[in-house]
Amino acid sequence: GAVVSQHPSRVICKSGTSVKIECRSLDFQATTMFWYRQFPKQSLMLMATSNEGSKATYEQGVEKDKFLINHASLTLSTLTVTSAHPEDSSFYICSASPPSGGTYNEQFFGPGTRLTVL
Amino acid sequence: EDKVVQSPLSLVVHEGDTVTLNCSYEVTNFRSLLWYKQEKKAPTFLFMLTSSGIEKKSGRLSSILDKKELSSILNITATQTGDSAIYLCAVEASGYLLWGGGADGLTFGKGTHLIIQP
Repeated sequence: GAVVSQHPSRVICKSGTSVKIECRSLDFQATTMFWYRQFPKQSLMLMATSNEGSKATYEQGVEKDKFLINHASLTLSTLTVTSAHPEDSSFYICSASPPSGGTYNEQFFGPGTRLTVL
Repeated sequence: EDKVVQSPLSLVVHEGDTVTLNCSYEVTNFRSLLWYKQEKKAPTFLFMLTSSGIEKKSGRLSSILDKKELSSILNITATQTGDSAIYLCAVEASGYLLWGGGADGLTFGKGTHLIIQP
């Protein structure tokens, strides 16, 4: 149980184009989804938190007009990197949380999407 | 299909105790195993293990990888209430993080909820 998928697993695009990454919770409803970017020293940088049906909350320093997040349903959130540039090349990971029921905010992670911008 | 299993799912101990968290994996083309501590939103990186039998240490935390048994343990000695968190294990199945090669992604375990009681 608690499986999260991401699509695509890898994408290569030209500079200036937009790329959409999907994050799906396959067997549970996710009231909250998180988007992360993985940096070279293995740290995960939280980019934004999205709640179904409302606007995403972006972390400081993350451009909301560049990284568009849509959490259209309880099982799907999308991250669109608009006008991508080579510096946006990275590994993007999403996680999903079921409705809160415990002490900790449990998150289930997707496998990640590797974006390469040429 | 790659799989990462952590045990126990949750653990409650008293301050000062020593705990051992387990992570086992079934991954094609194993490259590295990573441990994270998740307290709030974004997990923080603890260790990256690539070689079997070599212990990595950071303060009261230590970890070791056993490639023969396809497992890793995370030890925390003299636990403190601030150690309460979800501890995540993830396995990298390609050389992306280390070598910049193609990404097969990260597979995360479900985490161990560790609660340290005063």
